[in-house]
Amino acid sequence: ELKVEQNPLFLSMQEEKNYTIYCNYSTTSDRLYWYRQDPGKSLESLFVLLSNGAVKQEGRLMASLDTKARLSTLHITAAVHDLSATYFCAVDTLYYQLIWGAGTKLIIKP
Amino acid sequence: EAGVAQSPRYKIIEKRQSVAFWCNPISGHATLYWYQQILGQGPKLLIQFQNNGVVDDSQLPKDRFSAERLKGVDSTLKIQPAKLEDSAVYLCASSPGDRTSLLTEAFFGQGTRLTVV
Repeated sequence: ELKVEQNPLFLSMQEEKNYTIYCNYSTTSDRLYWYRQDPGKSLESLFVLLSNGAVKQEGRLMASLDTKARLSTLHITAAVHDLSATYFCAVDTLYYQLIWGAGTKLIIKP
Repeated sequence: EAGVAQSPRYKIIEKRQSVAFWCNPISGHATLYWYQQILGQGPKLLIQFQNNGVVDDSQLPKDRFSAERLKGVDSTLKIQPAKLEDSAVYLCASSPGDRTSLLTEAFFGQGTRLTVV
C-alpha cells in the first residue's frame, strides 16, 4: 500500500525557534510537493522537488528531498507567527498519482 | 494567468437532495482533480481526469457521486442523493502535464464548502 507519513502531525513552537517537519513515503518517486493551507482556505503550492538532492528555499522555509531514503524535510528557521498553517506533502507516484500526507498543523506562538 | 475557478463557494442542502459543483481549470492544463477535504484532514482524491478521460476514480462513491469533464476542459461533480457525511470542502485542482511530463504541480481552486443538514 502506498503511504505518505508526516510527522509531527501537530507542532506548537515559539517564535525564533527552528524546527523540521518530516515526510516519509513508501513508493519509488522523485517528485514531491509541499503545500500550505491556512484555516478556511485552499492549498497553496510552496515547493516542487523533482530530483534526488533537490533543495528549495523561500524565506524562512527550506525543503529538501532524499529519494534514496524516501524522505523529504521542511525546515523552518527562526519561525514567525505568519508561518502558522497546516503543511502537506504530496508524492507523485510513477503512475502519475498524488499521494498526500495527513498534514502537519503548525502553531507559532509569539 | 487566471487560476482554477470553482463555483459555488458555499452550499447548504438537506440530506437526500442533489448538488453540483463546477470547476474551470487553468487554461491548457491536461490533468484535473477533484478532492474532498473533511475538516482537520488531508485532501482525499475523488477522481482524476487526464484530458477528458478518467485516470483514477477508485475512491469515488459511485452510487451517489458522478463527475464529468466536458471536452477536456471544464468539469462538474455531482452528488445525488447527499448524505450528512458528505459535508466537506470540495477542491478542484489542475496541473499542466501528462504522464510523460515533469509538469505535475497541482494548482488548487478556492473550493466549495458543502454543508448537508
